[in-house]
Amino acid sequence: EIVLTQSPGTLSLSPGERATLSCRASQSVDSNYVAWYQQKPGQAPGLLIHGASSRATGIPDRFSGSGSGTDFTLTISRLEPEDFAVYYCQQSGSSPKTFGQGTKVEIK
Amino acid sequence: QVQLQQWGAGLLKPSETLSLTCAVYGGPFTNYYWTWIRQPPGKGLEWIGEITHSGRTNYNPSLKSRVTISVDTSKSQFSLKLSSVTAADTAVYYCARESVIWDEGFDKWGQGTTVTVSS
Repeated sequence: EIVLTQSPGTLSLSPGERATLSCRASQSVDSNYVAWYQQKPGQAPGLLIHGASSRATGIPDRFSGSGSGTDFTLTISRLEPEDFAVYYCQQSGSSPKTFGQGTKVEIK
Repeated sequence: QVQLQQWGAGLLKPSETLSLTCAVYGGPFTNYYWTWIRQPPGKGLEWIGEITHSGRTNYNPSLKSRVTISVDTSKSQFSLKLSSVTAADTAVYYCARESVIWDEGFDKWGQGTTVTVSS
């Protein structure tokens, strides 16, 4: 099983700041099968990024993804008030499909 | 607009069988992995398993002995059964879809069903 470790656990930032979230895999993952999700309280997760760097439909360009092999990154260039949420990375390249434990982006 | 709508019993006793169904509206049923994912209270997401329209399944080994996912293509529905539940199975359960052809992640999700296991 591929274990995804996200860091930091919590990121305290102000609106307008840049957020950089890390996801490290226990073994190499095909970047085509790496995705990022945003989850707000009481809601289902929503797809942000697929294929490590492709934005899902309707996702603003302040969200970007990068990485390959075992290291992947989600960057939010300038935080908007609606971006404060929990973010999960996920891989579908190897079964079982797995998620990271999440990074909470909170208002400082 | 594709929508996934799910339903099922929300309160179970230990040793009972969890049963949930997810219906797909407004989109194709072929060429997708129809998936169940769960989230215990205050915790992260766990992939339970998936099924294709042809009935091919893939389960998380951690749950495989207790999980059955089935499909009814005539109704564009798929279902989850989890047997011998315990308090550890208390979670919000989500259905979701993932393309078989395109690497697009879980792009549509159901609204979630809260399942509580308590005596």
